[in-house]
Amino acid sequence: DGGITQSPKYLFRKEGQNVTLSCEQNLNHDAMYWYRQDPGQGLRLIYYSQIVNDFQKGDIAEGYSVSREKKESFPLTVTSAQKNPTAFYLCASSIGGTVAYEQYFGPGTRLTVT
Amino acid sequence: SQQGEEDPQALSIQEGENATMNCSYKTSINNLQWYRQNSGRGLVHLILIRSNEREKHSGRLRVTLDTSKKSSSLLITASRAADTASYFCALGDSGGYNKLIFGAGTRLAVHP
Repeated sequence: DGGITQSPKYLFRKEGQNVTLSCEQNLNHDAMYWYRQDPGQGLRLIYYSQIVNDFQKGDIAEGYSVSREKKESFPLTVTSAQKNPTAFYLCASSIGGTVAYEQYFGPGTRLTVT
Repeated sequence: SQQGEEDPQALSIQEGENATMNCSYKTSINNLQWYRQNSGRGLVHLILIRSNEREKHSGRLRVTLDTSKKSSSLLITASRAADTASYFCALGDSGGYNKLIFGAGTRLAVHP
């Protein structure tokens, strides 16, 4: 089956620890995205990547880091510098390029930091 | 700054009724997309409408776009209990990177 997988579904961490969220896609998409969703809110863009070995900051990149070493993978690290890391994190991918295409979303990872 | 504003924030209807959700925005867009999110899940793409299009249909869904008024609407006809979800409009920017800016969403409840 083609799609996007995110793991784990739930993640618990202590304050001050870095944590890495996994995102893998087998859709052969060039573009990948990370969003954050807080309760009752829309999605906010953290980072996006249009091609391997390249990525750009979104609207709320502070306290987060990413890498794009493989086309299929776009892991997100939530660092201890992120002041309010508890949230629902969604990864997405799309065909990419300059033509508008829909984005395909993973099931999300719910991160709780105490 | 650009942001999609959705109206209403919440909508409660009976099965069989139509549901209409609206999205307004401030600056020019390349495209506008609608997504559905069931509670605690990822988003599912519904319809993409480009700035040079006025109306698109997909099954029981109808989307309109009025670029002069900077607004879009999503109509779900003959609603079913399974349509209960949050619906988001997402603004596609003109910068060529296919970035989307999401609104806060409309929470739709369809009662049997």
